[in-house]
Amino acid sequence: GAVVSQHPSRVICKSGTSVKIECRSLDFQATTMFWYRQFPKQSLMLMATSNEGSKATYEQGVEKDKFLINHASLTLSTLTVTSAHPEDSSFYICSARDDGNQPQHFGDGTRLSIL
Amino acid sequence: ELKVEQNPLFLSMQEGKNYTIYCNYSTTSDRLYWYRQDPGKSLESLFVLLSNGAVKQEGRLMASLDTKARLSTLHITAAVHDLSATYFCAVDTNNAGNMLTFGGGTRLMVKP
Repeated sequence: GAVVSQHPSRVICKSGTSVKIECRSLDFQATTMFWYRQFPKQSLMLMATSNEGSKATYEQGVEKDKFLINHASLTLSTLTVTSAHPEDSSFYICSARDDGNQPQHFGDGTRLSIL
Repeated sequence: ELKVEQNPLFLSMQEGKNYTIYCNYSTTSDRLYWYRQDPGKSLESLFVLLSNGAVKQEGRLMASLDTKARLSTLHITAAVHDLSATYFCAVDTNNAGNMLTFGGGTRLMVKP
C-alpha cells in the first residue's frame, strides 16, 4: 500500500528556533500534499495544500511567512516553522495523494514542543 | 462552507455493548472516510464510503452512508477494550478541491 514517511517524529526546541519537517511519499508520486495541525483533544485542521512545483495554498488564518512549505519534487514536501514559539507547539501531520480520485495517505505525524 | 459534525464527542461504554457514532455534513459529498486515531499517533484509515447506501464492515465496526440525509454512521458491535480510541469522519468534496474536512472526533472509551 501507499506509504508516507514523516520525519522527525518528535522535536523539542527552544523558542525562536526554526524547525523543518519532511514528508515523503515512498512508493508513489504525490501530486498534492497536505499539511494539518492538531492541538490536544481537537480535530485536524488543514493548514495548507501544496502541489508539486507551485506555491502552496494556505488556509485562512495560517501565516504563510511563518509556515514555509516547499514541494520541490513529486515525493517530498517540507514544512518549516520559522521562529517557533510555545503557541506553535502541536501535532503536525502531512498527507499525500497522487491524483484527485485517490484517497490521502497520512504520515505518522510530528510532535513539536517549543520551550 | 462545508461543516462536518460528529456526535457524541465522548463515549464511555462497557465491553460487550453496542453503540453508534453519527457524522452529519452540510453539503453534497463524493466520498466519506472514517479514521481511527490512538493517543500520540497519526490516523489509521478504517473505511471509505463512495455512494449512497454504501455499507462496509470490518470486525466489530460497520460504517454506512446516506447521501440524501448527509449522514454517515459508525456502528460498534459488542465493544472490546481494544476499540478505545478517537474516531474521526472526514468528508471529501469536489467543490472543496478534493480536500478533507474533518468532524470534531469521537473519543471512545471501552471499559473492561
